[in-house]
Amino acid sequence: GAVVSQHPSWVICKSGTSVKIECRSLDFQATTMFWYRQFPKQSLMLMATSNEGSKATYEQGVEKDKFLINHASLTLSTLTVTSAHPEDSSFYICSVWTGGKYEQYFGPGTRLTVT
Amino acid sequence: AQTVTQSQPEMSVQEAETVTLSCTYDTSESNYYLFWYKQPPSRQMILVIRQEAYKQQNATENRFSVNFQKAAKSFSLKISDSQLGDTAMYFCAFMPTGTASKLTFGTGTRLQVTL
Repeated sequence: GAVVSQHPSWVICKSGTSVKIECRSLDFQATTMFWYRQFPKQSLMLMATSNEGSKATYEQGVEKDKFLINHASLTLSTLTVTSAHPEDSSFYICSVWTGGKYEQYFGPGTRLTVT
Repeated sequence: AQTVTQSQPEMSVQEAETVTLSCTYDTSESNYYLFWYKQPPSRQMILVIRQEAYKQQNATENRFSVNFQKAAKSFSLKISDSQLGDTAMYFCAFMPTGTASKLTFGTGTRLQVTL
């Protein structure tokens, strides 16, 4: 399977600031990546599909102006949380789509705390 | 739209025993994949096993096996010879076939393996 990294693993920011989370596919060229959000003791909720070289596709209810996704290369997708608020505090996980094998491989996640 | 239901929020099993986690799903798709993912305390999502819906044979990966009942839309996970390292959240997930298809997760089952 694909090896996926995320940076940072944990970030604390102040309310009103923006924070960027990186997702890297280390051994697979990923045309498609996914971003998920996970609240404590809950399941993963898909936020958006990140497509290399084109705009991301957001799930219903996800504010695209607040959660900016950029997939500038086949190995890197970034999620920027703009004007963060305490309710944005969560665990953010990315995954890599491996195409014909119909599998997704996940990064280790990023814990965001907004104070 | 697909739904995935895991009716057991928590389960406990003794080391070396066998445990079965339940999952049911609802879909109108004819071709799809089903997965079990494990999320240990580290929160890294790990693919445990996958099943292709068009295959009648149940998937097996070492101590992990599934009971796939397509007509009943049931997809249970059996863990044999349970080990302490199996302690984790287990998520059942559904993916329709197609380009960069999305995963729909169940709510998860927390499995505790005890001595």
